[in-house]
Amino acid sequence: DAGVIQSPRHEVTEMGQEVTLRCKPISGHNSLFWYRQTMMRGLELLIYFNNNVPIDDSGMPEDRFSAKMPNASFSTLKIQPSEPRDSAVYFCASRPQESDGYTFGSGTRLTVV
Amino acid sequence: GQQVMQIPQYQHVQEGEDFTTYCNSSTTLSNIQWYKQRPGGHPVFLIQLVKSGEVKKQKRLTFQFGEAKKNSSLHITATQTTDVGTYFCLYNQGGKLIFGQGTELSVKP
Repeated sequence: DAGVIQSPRHEVTEMGQEVTLRCKPISGHNSLFWYRQTMMRGLELLIYFNNNVPIDDSGMPEDRFSAKMPNASFSTLKIQPSEPRDSAVYFCASRPQESDGYTFGSGTRLTVV
Repeated sequence: GQQVMQIPQYQHVQEGEDFTTYCNSSTTLSNIQWYKQRPGGHPVFLIQLVKSGEVKKQKRLTFQFGEAKKNSSLHITATQTTDVGTYFCLYNQGGKLIFGQGTELSVKP
């Protein structure tokens, strides 16, 4: 079991550029979550999917953020255009069912300069 | 709305001392989970508590869920340097899963 796989591990980009973060959940896990972690706001839930369907995206900061899950084994989080305040660690997590704990990926550290 | 406070924010202990972090809610929680995040790492699931008054143990870690299901604690007996990290509770708020603010534990050898 390779766990939840995120790429890239680190991303440095210039303000205004498009950024795409990728996640491969654990096979068989039917829920996928995107979290953002900063010193100021801690771990914030951005969006989550059940069976590839977005359930709650109320945590997405603004229209510059979008997330997709085209199939059970892949999800993307896109920021367009990126801004310096988007700098954070972005985690993807999955779980098999509602009663279980999350398994987190190693995260993507995003720096927007 | 529901308010959950996790305390303390930081705890510095000497190796061998005990450590406790608390999550306290203003309303009843359906369940609560605990996670550990090592410096530079990602959160790792430790345990889930569901029942009123539940107590679970994992080696030196003891997890409790209060009788009223409003409070929960994580207690570490005789801390070791490997216990260093931030401990988070996770609770359900109106269908949304929210992480507590976290308690950062440092252990001096």
